[in-house]
Amino acid sequence: DTEVTQTPKHLVMGMTNKKSLKCEQHMGHRAMYWYKQKAKKPPELMFVYSYEKLSINESVPSRFSPECPNSSLLNLHLHALQPEDSALYLCASSHPRGQTNTEAFFGQGTRLTVV
Amino acid sequence: AQTVTQSQPEMSVQEAETVTLSCTYDTSESDYYLFWYKQPPSRQMILVIRQEAYKQQNATENRFSVNFQKAAKSFSLKISDSQLGDAAMYFCAYRSANDMRFGAGTRLTVKP
Repeated sequence: DTEVTQTPKHLVMGMTNKKSLKCEQHMGHRAMYWYKQKAKKPPELMFVYSYEKLSINESVPSRFSPECPNSSLLNLHLHALQPEDSALYLCASSHPRGQTNTEAFFGQGTRLTVV
Repeated sequence: AQTVTQSQPEMSVQEAETVTLSCTYDTSESDYYLFWYKQPPSRQMILVIRQEAYKQQNATENRFSVNFQKAAKSFSLKISDSQLGDAAMYFCAYRSANDMRFGAGTRLTVKP
């Protein structure tokens, strides 16, 4: 199983809503990532979890709240978002550096629209 | 901070021909990994090829190969015998520790 599964695939939410994005992998990866991708731009790193602990937060606004409940799951909780937060949100996972197969595997993303 | 630069926003190649996509990076680390990812309109990021910085030999995967010049901090991707299915956005990526960063991308068009 080399899949990273993201749900939902599409999400439309109002600026006062609370929603969550979910990501799951069963490859035994202990590093998990959230990226934000705007149209025709590269993925921008938001958060990295390593061994279920937050290791990188790229100064992301607090309206985005990550959570890693266990080694297979990664959530991104959304609250009071702005229209400019509309984007494709990608989840990825990898082995920690130092192991073989160091590439990241990506999910298909959640297309988020904030209205 | 590490930066990854792709200076070709768009490239075009005739089917069955060869094309090279450029990537440079800036880092002070000696141990890192480099990747090329492909993102078709379906938006799934797909690994094309990987290169470990400690390996001098250039990586090859079927029609895809890299030219890794560590001293020059250059990592180009060569696609041989281009196929219509190669049309996509190509991103160069740099990884150290658990921090993976991407270049701006090159949109590759393949002409029949």
